[in-house]
Amino acid sequence: DIQMTQSPSSLSASVGDRVTITCQASQDISNYLNWYQQKPGKAPKVLIYDASNLETGVPSRFSGSGSGTDFTFTISSLQPEDIATYYCQQYATLPRTFGGGTKVEIK
Amino acid sequence: QVQLVESGGGVVQPGGSLRLSCAASGFTFSSYAMHWVRQAPGKGLDWVAVISYDGSNKYYADSVKGRFTISRDNSQNTLYLQMNSLRAEETAVFYCARAAHGSGSFWGGRFDYWGQGTLVTVSS
Repeated sequence: DIQMTQSPSSLSASVGDRVTITCQASQDISNYLNWYQQKPGKAPKVLIYDASNLETGVPSRFSGSGSGTDFTFTISSLQPEDIATYYCQQYATLPRTFGGGTKVEIK
Repeated sequence: QVQLVESGGGVVQPGGSLRLSCAASGFTFSSYAMHWVRQAPGKGLDWVAVISYDGSNKYYADSVKGRFTISRDNSQNTLYLQMNSLRAEETAVFYCARAAHGSGSFWGGRFDYWGQGTLVTVSS
């Protein structure tokens, strides 16, 4: 199985800050990497697919990059509504696997 | 609009069984692979199983293999998860999710639509 290691597990930042989350795959997954946002009590929502493509309707302050084993998710200017937990997920192989999540809070 | 609505959750004793359903609408259900993902209270997302668009292929997480069965009825636009021999540590919210086309993967790419989730509590 492909292990997805996400860091940090939590972070606190101010409104307007640039926020970066990393995700490392245990083997090459090309660009088969998605990023999800989950708010408390809600289902996850896909923000970025294929490592760097912005899902329709998602604000452009969200972005993703990377290929192979190392990936980055960025919020260019943190907004209060971005408070959530973020997960990476690989779909190169089965079983699908998720990173452990990054909880983003406002400082 | 695309909708996925899970049902069937509840309280079950360890060793017991439960069948979850996921009613789909707003899209051609029979054209999409469908997945189940679970989330224990306060924990991360845990992938459970997938079924191909026509039901002919299935794949399970090792942790549920032999105990859970995924199935679908394309005439009823419904996905199922039969769960047997449930364990206390499997208390979780179970989500069904549609796998988007266009990824190059037979099992679909990103999970572009999710249900609201149904809570399964395994407790005596």
